[in-house]
Amino acid sequence: SQTIHQWPATLVQPVGSPLSLECTVEGTSNPNLYWYRQAAGRGLQLLFYSVGIGQISSEVPQNLSASRPQDRQFILSSKKLLLSDSGFYLCAWSPRRNTEAFFGQGTRLTVV
Amino acid sequence: AQSVTQPDIHITVSEGASLELRCNYSYGATPYLFWYVQSPGQGLQLLLKYFSGDTLVQGIKGFEAEFKRSQSSFNLRKPSVHWSDAAEYFCAVGAPGGGADGLTFGKGTHLIIQP
Repeated sequence: SQTIHQWPATLVQPVGSPLSLECTVEGTSNPNLYWYRQAAGRGLQLLFYSVGIGQISSEVPQNLSASRPQDRQFILSSKKLLLSDSGFYLCAWSPRRNTEAFFGQGTRLTVV
Repeated sequence: AQSVTQPDIHITVSEGASLELRCNYSYGATPYLFWYVQSPGQGLQLLLKYFSGDTLVQGIKGFEAEFKRSQSSFNLRKPSVHWSDAAEYFCAVGAPGGGADGLTFGKGTHLIIQP
């Protein structure tokens, strides 16, 4: 069966520091991969998606970037964090475009 | 672009009572439709999905949802709630014809269960 791993679970980082969140999927190949951010009372905002290695599409211009160095690995990064980057970050994968997504457990990022 | 509206931010239901959570969507055709549940500090778990066919779909944990094209709705129901159903519930849509990638989510409904 397929599983998705996301880490770390919580992270406290100072303003201006770099960020790297990692997500890996097991048990499937060539998944569609997504990074979402969740703010309280605002649902989920799609940040990036990827349909293949090295293929990244950004939905929202921001201080963040994403990379997909391997088929089942998706990384969310920032060179310099802002206070506004605080939130709950969720990685997800889906077997086909725009179909059901399966989520990791999320990372709670607090920028101080 | 598609959008999702969940009109109820909070809903309080007594344990053992029935539940209906509302979801309305905007899309030019019939979208893919989903309901997810999220416990505090956790990821989202898929409850059920609708792609086509029978408009009443069954999901996990005793949930069901009904797609009504005329009302652009996909309401979630459960005949008898349990205290463990207290959580945040999200409705989501996906575009079968492509265009925007990823799912579009509503803002969620927080379900509170009274003993």
